[in-house]
Amino acid sequence: GAGVSQTPSNKVTEKGKYVELRCDPISGHTALYWYRQSLGQGPEFLIYFQGTGAADDSGLPNDRFFAVRPEGSVSTLKIQRTERGDSAVYLCASSLQGSPLHFGNGTRLTVT
Amino acid sequence: AQSVAQPEDQVNVAEGNPLTVKCTYSVSGNPYLFWYVQYPNRGLQFLLKYITGDNLVKGSYGFEAEFNKSQTSFHLKKPSALVSDSALYFCAVRGSTGGGNKLTFGTGTQLKVEL
Repeated sequence: GAGVSQTPSNKVTEKGKYVELRCDPISGHTALYWYRQSLGQGPEFLIYFQGTGAADDSGLPNDRFFAVRPEGSVSTLKIQRTERGDSAVYLCASSLQGSPLHFGNGTRLTVT
Repeated sequence: AQSVAQPEDQVNVAEGNPLTVKCTYSVSGNPYLFWYVQYPNRGLQFLLKYITGDNLVKGSYGFEAEFNKSQTSFHLKKPSALVSDSALYFCAVRGSTGGGNKLTFGTGTQLKVEL
């Protein structure tokens, strides 16, 4: 596969539940980003990994949100105790250092 | 802090006419500027970027953008619009100093090209 892959494409969960969103970046891309896009808005930065480490997590809204990238490739965004306000499309992107970001198709999260 | 403004929520243009989608930015240091396009239920696709050099940047699908430092603008243009250009367009910026590779996006402009 040539592109960034995100699974699942859609996730419906109940308020208070825990969810995990997965991102498979383009092979060889060292940088990985998570963004959140609410309806009618542009993507908002959440967190950026360079290799295995989170280089910048300043966009995570609160401590219910956490992301990992243990082997420097696949990343998982984890949301605890989901709230209705967490409903959005979660976008993952990867890049080589200094190159444009390549985005996946996103995971649409709906919290009921 | 870096920011992007896209003053138009929607731009309508007739097929064959030139189009412009506006973007202004604010950033520390020299700007790195980008345009992305988003089709329904899809991720963002890279169109073009300005890092340094010529102020007129050419990108995919016949699009181009003009960097204007004095007006802090980076408007997207195309000489002759196609119906298939109809989509949501995002301008993004990051600074050359600090902030890593973190892009800040505008709120998007819906382009509608009609026959």
